[in-house]
Amino acid sequence: GAGVSQSPSNKVTEKGKDVELRCDPISGHTALYWYRQSLGQGLEFLIYFQGNSAPDKSGLPSDRFSAERTGGSVSTLTIQRTQQEDSAVYLCASSQGGVPYNEQFFGPGTRLTVL
Amino acid sequence: QKEVEQNSGPLSVPEGAIASLNCTYSDRGSQSFFWYRQYSGKSPELIMSIYSNGDKEDGRFTAQLNKASQYVSLLIRDSQPSDSATYLCAVNKGPMKTSYDKVIFGPGTSLSVIP
Repeated sequence: GAGVSQSPSNKVTEKGKDVELRCDPISGHTALYWYRQSLGQGLEFLIYFQGNSAPDKSGLPSDRFSAERTGGSVSTLTIQRTQQEDSAVYLCASSQGGVPYNEQFFGPGTRLTVL
Repeated sequence: QKEVEQNSGPLSVPEGAIASLNCTYSDRGSQSFFWYRQYSGKSPELIMSIYSNGDKEDGRFTAQLNKASQYVSLLIRDSQPSDSATYLCAVNKGPMKTSYDKVIFGPGTSLSVIP
């Protein structure tokens, strides 16, 4: 079946512009995660959606970052007024949700470059 | 104390040897444990999951879990150069109100298998 998809695969933008990154999770997966990974670094948790629960936004680095998940499926991560330090690969993952079988499956990522 | 800790490496082993990767976690309520492999420039890929104490084998990979010691490890037998990658340990956060199945990643261990 189809895996997690993300778009665009690459995004180059100018400092100060807004960007939207999209994630399509695996059908039926109730949990969705966004991570950021800078070059040579580990995964940085950003936000977590689980079903109809309030999202866990504890990893968002600033109020320029926001995310929504419509209809419990597709998610959009929005970065306003982009800065050069926002340059990274943004990864989305989904899982069935529910312990203990909450294995995450990752999308290919969006590489964001802020000039 | 970080929630999930790993030696950052790099860990170098000769081809054909056993590579041993270790991970410790802080939340005693954790129930799900995962190992992901991430090749340079690629997304993390799930390679093993383990939910109960003891060993779980899958081909050349063996995951070991000791909940009393809050320790999980991954053994790779007959290591191949193609195993060279960063290995991420991930642990579910445990039974809290809205983050019961939130998964926390460690920083990863870089493995290099020398031909």
